[in-house]
Parts: sequence; C-alpha cells; structure tokens
Amino acid sequence: DADVTQTPRNRITKTGKRIMLECSQTKGHDRMYWYRQDPGLGLRLIYYSFDVKDINKGEISDGYSVSRQAQAKFSLSLESAIPNQTALYFCATSPGRGNGYTFGSGTRLTVV
Amino acid sequence: GQQLNQSPQSMFIQEGEDVSMNCTSSSIFNTWLWYKQDPGEGPVLLIALYKAGELTSNGRLTAQFGITRKDSFLNISASIPSDVGIYFCAGQLFLGRMGGSEKLVFGKGTKLTVNP
Repeated sequence: DADVTQTPRNRITKTGKRIMLECSQTKGHDRMYWYRQDPGLGLRLIYYSFDVKDINKGEISDGYSVSRQAQAKFSLSLESAIPNQTALYFCATSPGRGNGYTFGSGTRLTVV
Repeated sequence: GQQLNQSPQSMFIQEGEDVSMNCTSSSIFNTWLWYKQDPGEGPVLLIALYKAGELTSNGRLTAQFGITRKDSFLNISASIPSDVGIYFCAGQLFLGRMGGSEKLVFGKGTKLTVNP
C-alpha cells in the first residue's frame, strides 16, 4: 500500500457542486499539505496542517477548505466548484521542518 | 515572495548523454530538494541538500547546494529512457523558531525527454 493515498484518482464534476478530495497516510507524519498543479505553473500550496488542531492557509486558499480529521487524514473540499479549479491536486506529508515531503499519486479533477 | 527560476524548461536528449538543470533565486534557502514526477504520479524526492556547498550523489544523479544558498543544480549522467519525466527543484525556508514552520517553494519544472 502507498504511504500517502489519495481518493478519488480522477473526478469529473459540474460547476457549483461541492466536492471532497481525501488523503490518508501511514507514515505517522504530523505535517500534511494540499497542493495544486497546473501545467507550466508548478506546485502551489493551498492549505497545510501541522497537527490535528492546526490549519493554515497557503498561497491559493480561496474557494477551498480543509479538515484534519485525524493525524492520518486530511481532506480538501471545494465548496462550489468552478471550471478554473480544474487541475491536478496532491496531498503531501512531512515529519517536520527540514525534511522532504512525501507526495500522494494525485487526484485529477475536472470541473465542467 | 520567494520565487525560483528553474531552467531549462524542457530538454530533448539522446540516451547516454549527460543532463544538467539548475534553479536560482534572489532569496536564501535553508534546504534544497530535487523531485522527479512521472506521468500520472506525484513527485518523488530524489536528493535533499542541507548545507551550503554540499555536493550529494544518488546513483547517476548529483546535486549541489550553492555556496550563496540561492541556487542549486542537478546533473544526471549517462541518461536512460526511464529518466523521462519532469524534474522540480524546491527551496525550503525555515520560519520562526526551531521546530516551527517552513515554506517550500517549487520551481516550475524541467521536462526531460530521452530518445533511445
């Protein structure tokens, strides 16, 4: 099993719908992150969490919300999806500052 | 804010050739990381660099943390077809006290194509 698991792998949804992307990890890391990847723009941070009671906005948090249900689970929600949220979304984990991040395999989201 | 300039954006090479890519910034970073992303997958950490001037190898890969802490390069020797993918540099900036927050800034990636 993968260390960082994202579900679903692919999703097509309609404009205005609420959608949740889920991430779970078996690495025992406290820190979890949600990134968005668009062609030519690299990876941009949406939200991050350093423990269950900690939630922080990243550089592009507008239109998104997150929930840290447990140390191992961090979900990303789009309250009302819009077409420019079509992108590849990645969850990542880290054991702490100064360490590399472990990424999941991504969720490809298409909003039509 | 901090930005990384990664170059080249893309490379087309023949199998067996060596490859070099780099990242530069006007900002100082505490750690430099190099990732590879295969199609349909998430980035995978290749090399992590922790000290200015550090030179680290991982098989055919060699990376260096620039002495000014504002740049890093990645070399791949004797490329093979499975080296195909997108390579990302990432600079990590420590914020606040020990054990506190950090900011990870990614370059826009170098897309590598290897012709057999």
